Amino acid sequence: DTEVTQTPKHLVMGMTNKKSLKCEQHMGHRAMYWYKQKAKKPPELMFVYSYEKLSINESVPSRFSPECPNSSLLNLHLHALQPEDSALYLCASSLRPPLAEGHNEQFFGPGTRLTVL
Amino acid sequence: KQEVTQIPAALSVPEGENLVLNCSFTDSAIYNLQWFRQDPGKGLTSLLLIQSSQREQTSGRLNASLDKSSGRSTLYIAASQPGDSATYLCAVRGPIGTGKLIFGQGTTLQVKP
Repeated sequence: DTEVTQTPKHLVMGMTNKKSLKCEQHMGHRAMYWYKQKAKKPPELMFVYSYEKLSINESVPSRFSPECPNSSLLNLHLHALQPEDSALYLCASSLRPPLAEGHNEQFFGPGTRLTVL
Repeated sequence: KQEVTQIPAALSVPEGENLVLNCSFTDSAIYNLQWFRQDPGKGLTSLLLIQSSQREQTSGRLNASLDKSSGRSTLYIAASQPGDSATYLCAVRGPIGTGKLIFGQGTTLQVKP
């Protein structure tokens, strides 16, 4: 299995809702990432998990809460979001953590299109 | 602070043409550089990864080069096809700070039949 999967593909939620995004990979990668991408912009890093521990939080508001239950699974819990949080949320994984030297390609999932009403 | 620039922002070419996409970065201290393709509303597909010690990588009709000393990379697409129409992003990863990917703004390519 050489892909990163994400569910759901689309999500519409109100500002008072609680929802979760899910990401899964079975490539034995030990680093997993959440990115946010607005239209016509490059992805912006949100969080990095290395060996199932949160290693990078790019000053993301607390209404976004990541979780890494095991080495294959990454969740992003959403609560009290704002309309400006509407974006494409991308998950990625790499064999080794970001600061590891050498060949360390990042593989991306198809994304979840989130709309906050 | 590492900055990555891609020029042009958009490019339109007729089918069959060979083309070059450019990526420049300000800090030559990088581990590697990765080229991605993104179709509208979709995720990123990794095309090529060049290690800092390498000069180029090839995959099919794609060839990516890296010149660390001048802070430049190019993605060469041979015999372009309408299916190559997409946004192409380059990203560098460095040893400084968090080692995260720093992306350029992308070049949107349209290949006309």
